[in-house]
Amino acid sequence: GDSVTQMEGPVTLSEEAFLTINCTYTATGYPSLFWYVQYPGEGLQLLLKATKADDKGSNKGFEATYRKETTSFHLEKGSVQVSDSAVYFCALSGPHSGGDKLIFGTGTRLQVFP
Amino acid sequence: EPEVTQTPSHQVTQMGQEVILRCVPISNHLYFYWYRQILGQKVEFLVSFYNNEISEKSEIFDDQFSVERPDGSNFTLKIRSTKLEDSAMYFCASSEGPRGGNQPQHFGDGTRLSIL
Repeated sequence: GDSVTQMEGPVTLSEEAFLTINCTYTATGYPSLFWYVQYPGEGLQLLLKATKADDKGSNKGFEATYRKETTSFHLEKGSVQVSDSAVYFCALSGPHSGGDKLIFGTGTRLQVFP
Repeated sequence: EPEVTQTPSHQVTQMGQEVILRCVPISNHLYFYWYRQILGQKVEFLVSFYNNEISEKSEIFDDQFSVERPDGSNFTLKIRSTKLEDSAMYFCASSEGPRGGNQPQHFGDGTRLSIL
């Protein structure tokens, strides 16, 4: 079945460092791809999305490009802040994952130190 | 910005007892979901609900689980006889439509369920 694989965490960075969190997927067809973020003690918030190949999702300085040829959707940010410390989840949905449910990766914890 | 609200934030229940987790989805949304996250593990899909019926459910969603939209606003998850392994964070989500790419799912802050 469809699945998402994320790099193991935690990722530990100093403030203003460059961030990459790797995400690859296995899916039949053309899923939509998402990054969700979970701040401590909170729920999941949609960070960005892409619905077709070569789309770039972006929000709050984060970017990810839907790469069909490498089945990847890596999350990047040029300069992280302490406030970016959170758990980041890569996810996909449809059309062959079974309806519109989200299939999540295991999450990657990001810790940013001043 | 409208949001999904879940109550309670933390529920402690004795094993074997029934528990109801409550959610108020965003008002113009039509598709509703429950997910769970066991501590330290990935977020897992439980069930989706549309037009007053289940549209899809996972293997986790066995006969002990049920969902209901008792009125125009609430969406509930009931666990009939809780087990220790039901301890997890339960997230409710809603969306305007299916095929989440153009109508992404919005999540509540979750209910932490602890079974003793």
